[in-house]
Amino acid sequence: GAGVSQSPSNKVTEKGKDVELRCDPISGHTALYWYRQSLGQGLEFLIYFQGNSAPDKSGLPSDRFSAERTGGSVSTLTIQRTQQEDSAVYLCASRKTVTYEQYFGPGTRLTVT
Amino acid sequence: GQQLNQSPQSMFIQEGEDVSMNCTSSSIFNTWLWYKQDPGEGPVLLIALYKAGELTSNGRLTAQFGITRKDSFLNISASIPSDVGIYFCAGQTGIQGAQKLVFGQGTRLTINP
Repeated sequence: GAGVSQSPSNKVTEKGKDVELRCDPISGHTALYWYRQSLGQGLEFLIYFQGNSAPDKSGLPSDRFSAERTGGSVSTLTIQRTQQEDSAVYLCASRKTVTYEQYFGPGTRLTVT
Repeated sequence: GQQLNQSPQSMFIQEGEDVSMNCTSSSIFNTWLWYKQDPGEGPVLLIALYKAGELTSNGRLTAQFGITRKDSFLNISASIPSDVGIYFCAGQTGIQGAQKLVFGQGTRLTINP
């Protein structure tokens, strides 16, 4: 497909379990971003990748959150020992190097019970 | 940190009416972007503004980048039912290679037929 894809679309997990969220950016987009959106709120920046490196991790809320990107393409956001306050929609976006326009995926809705 | 104040938070209008919403900030942004988010979807880019004072249209949508680079507005003319959704402004900051978006809290648009 031509757009950013994310999987799974929905994830329900028990408190204390680890989860992995996946993002496939638009082909050729070198920059990749993760955001978190709580119910009825705006988007909160988590982490930014340029290629496989992450020059800005300032938005990660705690050391339970980590992300990696391999091959300059797919990225995985991992949340360890999930807590109920981690429940949110996690959105991924990608961007070409030479532009400022970010294109978003549909998000993964995470529910921690 | 940088914050965007978006207003109004919600709007209830009749089909066919014009809509106006705006974002302000105490910080200067290099780029302003306007997104629309439908339920269960990721935000979709509507308009990108790159220069102070720039006025850009996309169909029935018009957006302007404030002269001070601290504000922007979005107008929708002759609203139709598919305009329903949440509109977000976003300001881009940072130098090339270290960019991220700061989002407003959103304006929820509801249209009465």
